[in-house]
Amino acid sequence: NAGVTQTPKFQVLKTGQSMTLQCAQDMNHEYMSWYRQDPGMGLRLIHYSVGAGITDQGEVPNGYNVSRSTTEDFPLRLLSAAPSQTSVYFCASTLYQGGNEQFFGPGTRLTVL
Amino acid sequence: GDSVTQMEGPVTLSEEAFLTINCTYTATGYPSLFWYVQYPGEGLQLLLKATKADDKGSNKGFEATYRKETTSFHLEKGSVQVSDSAVYFCALRAGGGADGLTFGKGTHLIIQP
Repeated sequence: NAGVTQTPKFQVLKTGQSMTLQCAQDMNHEYMSWYRQDPGMGLRLIHYSVGAGITDQGEVPNGYNVSRSTTEDFPLRLLSAAPSQTSVYFCASTLYQGGNEQFFGPGTRLTVL
Repeated sequence: GDSVTQMEGPVTLSEEAFLTINCTYTATGYPSLFWYVQYPGEGLQLLLKATKADDKGSNKGFEATYRKETTSFHLEKGSVQVSDSAVYFCALRAGGGADGLTFGKGTHLIIQP
């Protein structure tokens, strides 16, 4: 198993550009989520999904969209990047909602100029 | 809402020293508690967990006990190694298991030889 994979590892955008951060898992996990990590802030939940076709907002959803067309994939879209979205983004998955272990991807470091 | 408070870092110790990283939480219901570790340039890995009061989680020489009366989940290790240098996050999942983990801000641990 590859576990949770994320692409790209690094990305630099200009303000106003759009992009999609990719996340995939091969563990047949139902629950997937996106977090952002900022210095001194820990990790904050952006969006999550409890299964294909179902998504919901977390703590800091503004400026981000998600979709879940398959069990494996959970892309995160930035529609119009802003400098405040400079962060490290982590995707995570759990076997089921409420499961006791989240598996994290290696992260995407995003800089918005 | 739910919250996790952990001691600020960096914490610098000598090899073979005793480690304690404090973590306290605020949550409704009966949360599950976790410690995650993040090594440089990597994603988060689950270190240990406890799902009910008085449970002790342990792994790789680290231990933490779920103390409901003091709402705490302090991380301890009897003799740290240089390889333990990392950022440690305390986290909780609310009793309803709804929308992901709530993280503390992280404690950067530096072990000197």
